[in-house]
Amino acid sequence: DTGVSQDPRHKITKRGQNVTFRCDPISEHNRLYWYRQTLGQGPEFLTYFQNEAQLEKSRLLSDRFSAERPKGSFSTLEIQRTEQGDSAMYLCASSTDSYNSPLHFGNGTRLTVT
Amino acid sequence: AQSVTQLGSHVSVSEGALVLLRCNYSSSVPPYLFWYVQYPNQGLQLLLKYTTGATLVKGINGFEAEFKKSETSFHLTKPSAHMSDAAEYFCAVTSSGGSNYKLTFGKGTLLTVNP
Repeated sequence: DTGVSQDPRHKITKRGQNVTFRCDPISEHNRLYWYRQTLGQGPEFLTYFQNEAQLEKSRLLSDRFSAERPKGSFSTLEIQRTEQGDSAMYLCASSTDSYNSPLHFGNGTRLTVT
Repeated sequence: AQSVTQLGSHVSVSEGALVLLRCNYSSSVPPYLFWYVQYPNQGLQLLLKYTTGATLVKGINGFEAEFKKSETSFHLTKPSAHMSDAAEYFCAVTSSGGSNYKLTFGKGTLLTVNP
């Protein structure tokens, strides 16, 4: 168990640019989640995958956001035409699909939009 | 809809003193409740969880929490604070009716431990 890995740890971009983050879940976990955490707030749910299927998206996930998990392993989160309001920590988590399986979080990607 | 209120955005204690972090929740169905800890520039680590059964739940690092349905509370305690406990703590709730993926978090409580 090497834990959930996220890359990059930090990303600084200019407004209007596109960014992509990657998440590698724990290998035997078939569920993968994205959360967003802004300063002074708790994490907020963005989206959820069961294997390669994206089963739910939050209203927070505007049309500029897209997430994929093409082979049911790693996942990417892309933000197009970034805005300053997108500045946040983006957290990935994974779990098994066993009832009550806890979420294991990665260390996050901190995005700063200038 | 579910919500979590953490009373006190910042709690400061002396090393060796009791730690009490407060969490109240709102849920229309029986809740599952969690406490997570976050160290600077890191992700969240699960401290403990309540799903069903015994209402006093013990977690890692000497922390425990008690589910009190009548008070809609799930306060986190530790008898004796250690310097290494300094971190941000998040209470979270999800519905017992299905998967626990959609956690609703409180805003967090920053714990400072003074020597």
